[in-house]
Amino acid sequence: GAVVSQHPSWVICKSGTSVKIECRSLDFQATTMFWYRQFPKQSLMLMATSNEGSKATYEQGVEKDKFLINHASLTLSTLTVTSAHPEDSSFYICSARVFEGTSGRYEQYFGPGTRLTVT
Amino acid sequence: DAKTTQPPSMDCAEGRAANLPCNHSTISGNEYVYWYRQIHSQGPQYIIHGLKNNETNEMASLIITEDRKSSTLILPHATLRDTAVYYCIVRDRSSSNTGKLIFGQGTTLQVKP
Repeated sequence: GAVVSQHPSWVICKSGTSVKIECRSLDFQATTMFWYRQFPKQSLMLMATSNEGSKATYEQGVEKDKFLINHASLTLSTLTVTSAHPEDSSFYICSARVFEGTSGRYEQYFGPGTRLTVT
Repeated sequence: DAKTTQPPSMDCAEGRAANLPCNHSTISGNEYVYWYRQIHSQGPQYIIHGLKNNETNEMASLIITEDRKSSTLILPHATLRDTAVYYCIVRDRSSSNTGKLIFGQGTTLQVKP
């Protein structure tokens, strides 16, 4: 199946700094990628949809100025957590959309996640 | 998209079949049932999906009731590595086209030796 990578796999940063997380589709091109956040013992929460060459679409309640998303190429989307605070500590997961010709539908493949800890 | 209801947790003995139920009583005719799982501290992994017929692949079987209001994911011979949170997601054709997946709380399956 399609492979999605994330970098870094974990990061620790100080409060007030910004952190960038990369999401790459390794063996396919993805016009659309998704960013999720997951707090301990909770489910994944969709944050935003990232479209190549255009602005991201944010889910209700997600601050677009705090979570900057850039999808500059068909294989790379980045999420920047600006002015991070301890409450932003979470597991951030990206996924990429790919069209499956056999099914005639778009399917979603997930990256391994990035653990962010803000001290 | 229709909501799903899953038991919060289940146990299964290693080597036995694990049967994970999911209720989706408000499912409509063009909505698919998807199953993903998430092993601790990893990204979700696709397992299987179906519309109305039962489906089987190398990982699992999916049994969908005739009225499509519920389904069961079957792991035929559970191993310790199958311990994970299993998510049942119902997705309609429009979101199938966008690829957007909305996760519920899932079922934590604990496979015990």
